[in-house]
Amino acid sequence: DTGVSQDPRHKITKRGQNVTFRCDPISEHNRLYWYRQTLGQGPEFLTYFQNEAQLEKSRLLSDRFSAERPKGSFSTLEIQRTEQGDSAMYLCASSQLAEIPPADTQYFGPGTRLTVL
Amino acid sequence: AQKITQTQPGMFVQEKEAVTLDCTYDTSDQSYGLFWYKQPSSGEMIFLIYQGSYDEQNATEGRYSLNFQKARKSANLVISASQLGDSAMYFCAMREDISNFGNEKLTFGTGTRLTIIP
Repeated sequence: DTGVSQDPRHKITKRGQNVTFRCDPISEHNRLYWYRQTLGQGPEFLTYFQNEAQLEKSRLLSDRFSAERPKGSFSTLEIQRTEQGDSAMYLCASSQLAEIPPADTQYFGPGTRLTVL
Repeated sequence: AQKITQTQPGMFVQEKEAVTLDCTYDTSDQSYGLFWYKQPSSGEMIFLIYQGSYDEQNATEGRYSLNFQKARKSANLVISASQLGDSAMYFCAMREDISNFGNEKLTFGTGTRLTIIP
């Protein structure tokens, strides 16, 4: 089985630049999630998609952040005008739609570690 | 109030011993799910075990078991016969209102760093 993949694994950028991350979910999963994890903390929910529809966004997702899943397969997360506070691990997860947990368990990718200088 | 509290920032355990990682949660929902994930230094979150609020029996998966005490709102992870490869961060997480298809957010604790000593 191919798990969730994320690209790139590491990104170093200068403050003010735009960055884009990609996530490829497990192939039969129709739900996709983005989380952010800062040092010493657990992941925090950012947003999720069911197929191509973005169904929920956290207030953590400022207007500099935008996520898309245009064809209901891979997703991109873009951060515009990056700030040093955006430095974090960005984790993607996917799950299948299921009535009874834990069939809808979220499976995570390896993450993209962003460093903003 | 914190929804998920993990009070042990770090633990050291001798190889082959059992270890209990603590997790307490706070919710007013009747229907919720509790998850444990392992995060090695590589960064990926690995799903270990799930407990539903209506499950009468404690969940078990191989060497992992969940000590679920609903009245105390605790969901401790027990790892039996620990191995060197168990060294990692461990996160407890909760999904509230699991009867509602629209509520998909996982809320995580701050984690416990487990180190297995040979």
